[in-house]
Amino acid sequence: QKEVEQDPGPLSVPEGAIVSLNCTYSNSAFQYFMWYRQYSRKGPELLMYTYSSGNKEDGRFTAQVDKSSKYISLFIRDSQPSDSATYLCAMSESQGNLIFGKGTKLSVKP
Amino acid sequence: DAGVIQSPRHEVTEMGQEVTLRCKPISGHDYLFWYRQTMMRGLELLIYFNNNVPIDDSGMPEDRFSAKMPNASFSTLKIQPSEPRDSAVYFCASSLFGTGRQNIQYFGAGTRLSVL
Repeated sequence: QKEVEQDPGPLSVPEGAIVSLNCTYSNSAFQYFMWYRQYSRKGPELLMYTYSSGNKEDGRFTAQVDKSSKYISLFIRDSQPSDSATYLCAMSESQGNLIFGKGTKLSVKP
Repeated sequence: DAGVIQSPRHEVTEMGQEVTLRCKPISGHDYLFWYRQTMMRGLELLIYFNNNVPIDDSGMPEDRFSAKMPNASFSTLKIQPSEPRDSAVYFCASSLFGTGRQNIQYFGAGTRLSVL
């Protein structure tokens, strides 16, 4: 079993839809949870950053962490074509050694 | 700041040749990371430095891979000799020191390596 599992998709939704992306993990020592967005032929960029359990909201984006279930989610409201990208979850115990999921490719159709 | 700068952006080489990838981190950042991204394995950490000192190189696949950070503004990842299975996109990232802050990593645009 891999440390971090993420459905690779692809996921295709119409503009304006609510998107739900998620990852599961096996290491209960993970404390820091991140979502990175990666556009084609670009480097990943940090989108959301959460410490321990709970929710965090930033504009149209909401990140949720459920440590008891070892499950994290990213919700995108009112999705836009500009949200089309690959979304990578990442996790860390503390030292910056990030473990990434393989990424979910999202396409938002106008 | 210009962000993390990697060079070259693309590298095509023949099997057996030496390849050197370069990275300039964001000024003032204490941590530097080298990653490799492939379709099969996703994004994998190869090695990371703190204040120019290698901290964890357990992700370096083989002795053919080596990384150095001679000063705070420059790092190299070298593959010698290169093999076709080394073909991937290599990313460099940097971050600041601080509880949890080292997880906020800023990535370069990557070097796309093709070994023929």
